[in-house]
Amino acid sequence: QSVLTQPPSASGTPGQRVTISCSGSSSNIGRNYVYWYQQVPGAAPKLLIYKNSQRPSGVPDRFSGSKSGTSMSLAISGLRSEDEADYYCAAWDDRLSVVFGGGTQLTVL
Amino acid sequence: EEQLVESGGGLVQPGGSLRLSCVASGFSFDDYAMHWVRQVPGKGLEWVSGISRNSNSKGYRDSVKGRFTISRDNAQRSLHLQMNSLRGEDTALYYCVKDYGATPDDAFDVWGQGTMVTVS
Repeated sequence: QSVLTQPPSASGTPGQRVTISCSGSSSNIGRNYVYWYQQVPGAAPKLLIYKNSQRPSGVPDRFSGSKSGTSMSLAISGLRSEDEADYYCAAWDDRLSVVFGGGTQLTVL
Repeated sequence: EEQLVESGGGLVQPGGSLRLSCVASGFSFDDYAMHWVRQVPGKGLEWVSGISRNSNSKGYRDSVKGRFTISRDNAQRSLHLQMNSLRGEDTALYYCVKDYGATPDDAFDVWGQGTMVTVS
């Protein structure tokens, strides 16, 4: 059972906007930066969003992150077939360890 | 290109030991903290351990404290994870991961391809 809670699945059609939520507590999301990782089947995870809403170079601006209180969300606009992947939220907690969500499998219909 | 290559995984009996290694290239290894993250095939991600750039700060998840030891050799650009008293629940793909900063408290921005550990 993961410390952070995400929906196990999400879906959308090409061009649509999809949002994936993640909830935690004051000891992790509430007081620390949050992150999002994308994992395409068979590949290693890739950093998508860091420090709540920052995008690494190379990540399209279709991906955006936000945080409010003890929850965070990832929005993907202009959904594309290559966005089909597992998405994991993550946050450091007050005990200086990283906690992850259980992952959300995104299907592009 | 920043790259991490893991090695040392394999099949080990419960109670046994393994030493994972990771060699870095394409970036200044001694400028960054490093981590080990594991994943049971088909399941989610789990942080295992992290170490600061100068080895002064180390952290472990509760379930591996006292059994696993993280270390690094900046001269050899390598990261290690000594795993003792292995249990079935340690079975997973172990990723070597680079931190965005010098202390182990930021984003995981470079990932290796992983090395599989099977305890059975």
